[in-house]
Amino acid sequence: GAVVSQHPSWVICKSGTSVKIECRSLDFQATTMFWYRQFPKQSLMLMATSNEGSKATYEQGVEKDKFLINHASLTLSTLTVTSAHPEDSSFYICSACPPLAGYNEQFFGPGTRLTVL
Amino acid sequence: LAKTTQPISMDSYEGQEVNITCSHNNIATNDYITWYQQFPSQGPRFIIQGYKTKVTNEVASLFIPADRKSSTLSLPRVSLSDTAVYYCLVVGNNAGNMLTFGGGTRLMVKP
Repeated sequence: GAVVSQHPSWVICKSGTSVKIECRSLDFQATTMFWYRQFPKQSLMLMATSNEGSKATYEQGVEKDKFLINHASLTLSTLTVTSAHPEDSSFYICSACPPLAGYNEQFFGPGTRLTVL
Repeated sequence: LAKTTQPISMDSYEGQEVNITCSHNNIATNDYITWYQQFPSQGPRFIIQGYKTKVTNEVASLFIPADRKSSTLSLPRVSLSDTAVYYCLVVGNNAGNMLTFGGGTRLMVKP
């Protein structure tokens, strides 16, 4: 089946620094990838839709200048949390949908745990 | 986007059948019903998807009545490893549609 990877799986950083998270589709090309954030004991919240070759589409309330998304190729999207603060600590998950999927079956990455000190 | 409503939590015992019901009163004609499973600190995993009546795969069955305003995920003979959060979503049948997750159902399987 389709595989989506994320790197790193966890990261600890100091407040004020920037952190980059990579999302890769390993065996398929994805023109669209999605980024989610999940706080403990809560559901996934869609942050943005990452489009290859164009600007990301951000959900209401998500700061595009703080969460920079770059969809550099058909297999890679990156999320950069700029000037991270403790309230940005969360579980970040990406997903992608194979373009020829008969249904809208999305494949999720394993997630990246970000802790900002 | 159709909103879904599920029980917040359910308890079960090993070997029992578990049925999780989801309501989606505002489902659109071209929406499919999809269920995902999520373990702690992992990304969600696709379980099953259907449009109407019944769908069965190697891990679950999905029952959808004629009016499609609800659906039931059935997990046969659960084990401890089925302890997870189960999400019901309704999604348009186009590749690349974004998913909107509701609260999910936290299933606890006890020995």
